[in-house]
Amino acid sequence: QKEVEQNSGPLSVPEGAIASLNCTYSDRGSQSFFWYRQYSGKSPELIMFIYSNGDKEDGRFTAQLNKASQYVSLLIRDSQPSDSATYLCAVIHNQAGTALIFGKGTTLSVSS
Amino acid sequence: NAGVMQNPRHLVRRRGQEARLRCSPMKGHSHVYWYRQLPEEGLKFMVYLQKENIIDESGMPKERFSAEFPKEGPSILRIQQVVRGDSAAYFCASSPKVPYNEQFFGPGTRLTVL
Repeated sequence: QKEVEQNSGPLSVPEGAIASLNCTYSDRGSQSFFWYRQYSGKSPELIMFIYSNGDKEDGRFTAQLNKASQYVSLLIRDSQPSDSATYLCAVIHNQAGTALIFGKGTTLSVSS
Repeated sequence: NAGVMQNPRHLVRRRGQEARLRCSPMKGHSHVYWYRQLPEEGLKFMVYLQKENIIDESGMPKERFSAEFPKEGPSILRIQQVVRGDSAAYFCASSPKVPYNEQFFGPGTRLTVL
């Protein structure tokens, strides 16, 4: 059973702090890794994707991938109250490279 | 609006009725995916389609659920004889190519079965 695990939270950080969200996956053959943000009652919004080991930065967001440890993380710098949402980690694992397997998400709360 | 479009946004059905959910992918995208999000559960993959072809339906329930993506028009997810357990948010996503590429989600259809 291919799985993606996330701490459900809530993760609470003050405004301006760094939020660190973590995710582990079970299938060592996984190729692509994604972070989606989902506000309550809304659809998932893609915020980052990473394919290679190391860091990838985009604005206030940094995705980190360690395939040896089967671990992917998302750092949000200068957290804002508008960042308060559920963050979903997703992995493409199947041979066809098509189906996203999602974790259950981590709820982030940024207090002003 | 160049994003993924879904309609209706909200759908209410009584047990035993049929539900039809429609999805138009982003312009230039020919790969369509359907996902379901049950209350208090994560997003689950259902099916992947290209024009006129179902490529992967490994996540589809074996009965009552079907999907199509005709040559012309939107992709359709069809649920026959709905039951209360079908109440969920159904999301469509599209991607410009495969494999391993990012998928962009539509606003979803919230299905409520009375």
